[in-house]
Amino acid sequence: QVQLQESGPGLLKPSETLSLTCTVSGGSISSYWWSWIRQPPGKGLEWIAYISYSGSTNYNPSLKSRVSISVDTSENQFSLSLTSVTAADTAVYYCARGSSSSGRHFDYWGQGILVTVS
Amino acid sequence: DIVVTQSPDSLAVSLGERATINCKSSQSVLYSSNNKNYLAWYQQKPGQPPKLLIYWASTRESGVPDRFSGSGSGTDFTLTISSLQAEDVAVYYCQQYYSMSPTFGPGTKVDIK
Repeated sequence: QVQLQESGPGLLKPSETLSLTCTVSGGSISSYWWSWIRQPPGKGLEWIAYISYSGSTNYNPSLKSRVSISVDTSENQFSLSLTSVTAADTAVYYCARGSSSSGRHFDYWGQGILVTVS
Repeated sequence: DIVVTQSPDSLAVSLGERATINCKSSQSVLYSSNNKNYLAWYQQKPGQPPKLLIYWASTRESGVPDRFSGSGSGTDFTLTISSLQAEDVAVYYCQQYYSMSPTFGPGTKVDIK
């Protein structure tokens, strides 16, 4: 059974850089696309970025100038970096696997990590 | 970006009754070359990540009860829970993945009447 686990700091100050890592277990990171998705408290879901096992990427246009996603196949991990954070970036951040059939709908999710900017 | 909207914002249904949620995309998510609608539905319970229920607009994910069904094509879609159970209380999201930048609807909260 594939499992995803987010890790990283839960509290940041404005203007700092958010760095999160997603560790994939129970399956290989190869042959799939991997995404970060966030959810502000009490609000809806916002896709942030995805990356393929080979390193191809795509970013949400509204965040593109501040976001970077990377993959480490040797560690079965992928990571998110979001620069110059503000209170508006406070959210639960989820990592998710893109389904093999499209890459852009999500069949496995991590439990999420709350990141607060204050 | 493709904008996805949902209606209603919330609904309350009696146990055993039908619940219907609507989803509309700002442009068609039907890909003509394969005749597939790039639309998924998720269920999110409090404190949990979303769970994939339906993809390709009407294909149930493995393990999802058959009381959940999806329908529609082009820009208009529906998620139906045929006989609401207590464990179905949740927020339901639709998501388009036609564009390279996936987008979600705002969610519909389903409660027991």
